[in-house]
Amino acid sequence: EVQLLESGGGLAQPGGSLRLSCAASGFTFSSYAMTWVRQAPGKGLEWVSLISGSGGNTYYVDSVKGRFTISRDNSKNTLYLQVNSLRADDTAVYYCATAGHDGDAFDMWGQGTMVTVSS
Amino acid sequence: QLVLTQSPSASASLGASVKLTCTLSSGRSNYAIAWHQQQPEKGPRFLMRLNSDGSHIKGDGIPDRFSGSSSGAERYLTISSLQSEDEADYYCQTWGTGIDWVFGGGTKLTVL
Repeated sequence: EVQLLESGGGLAQPGGSLRLSCAASGFTFSSYAMTWVRQAPGKGLEWVSLISGSGGNTYYVDSVKGRFTISRDNSKNTLYLQVNSLRADDTAVYYCATAGHDGDAFDMWGQGTMVTVSS
Repeated sequence: QLVLTQSPSASASLGASVKLTCTLSSGRSNYAIAWHQQQPEKGPRFLMRLNSDGSHIKGDGIPDRFSGSSSGAERYLTISSLQSEDEADYYCQTWGTGIDWVFGGGTKLTVL
């Protein structure tokens, strides 16, 4: 059974940092591009970042460039998102998902982890 | 700019059919998309990948009641024999040339 389990969310102060993790199982992790998508309270889905299967290519939405870093450890079947310089508008549920072999359709989703940025 | 446009809301009666629309921005009529369902208080669920020719590949366990079709820049999701559990938000998603991934604004489906 395919499973994606996010963790690491919580309450952070403006300017603070968190490290989100996504533990994957049930598929060949290294064969899939992986992505982070967020959803602010009451809002729609927003793509945040994507990493290729090898980890050699990374992409970010403009609003998080320079603040967020996506990475992966294929030996541990785990995806990460380091979120720094947090702002109130980063408050959201953060989902990890697979993005196919080539970074296209997001075809398997986790249940999400909540990040709240507040003083 | 890669943009997906969805109507904010739709409604249909229990047991009926509904067709949701996702429109690709100008010049992108050959793009494939994905449809996702998000039931209240749950994470998204992949429904299908839908190509410009209307061919589609559904996710594991997605009922036959869900189907996709395409016409020009429009991508459609049709849900037949509506059930109460189909009441959800539906998002389309597409991808550019390796640097751009985009969601539509979502359509909130109400089952009457």
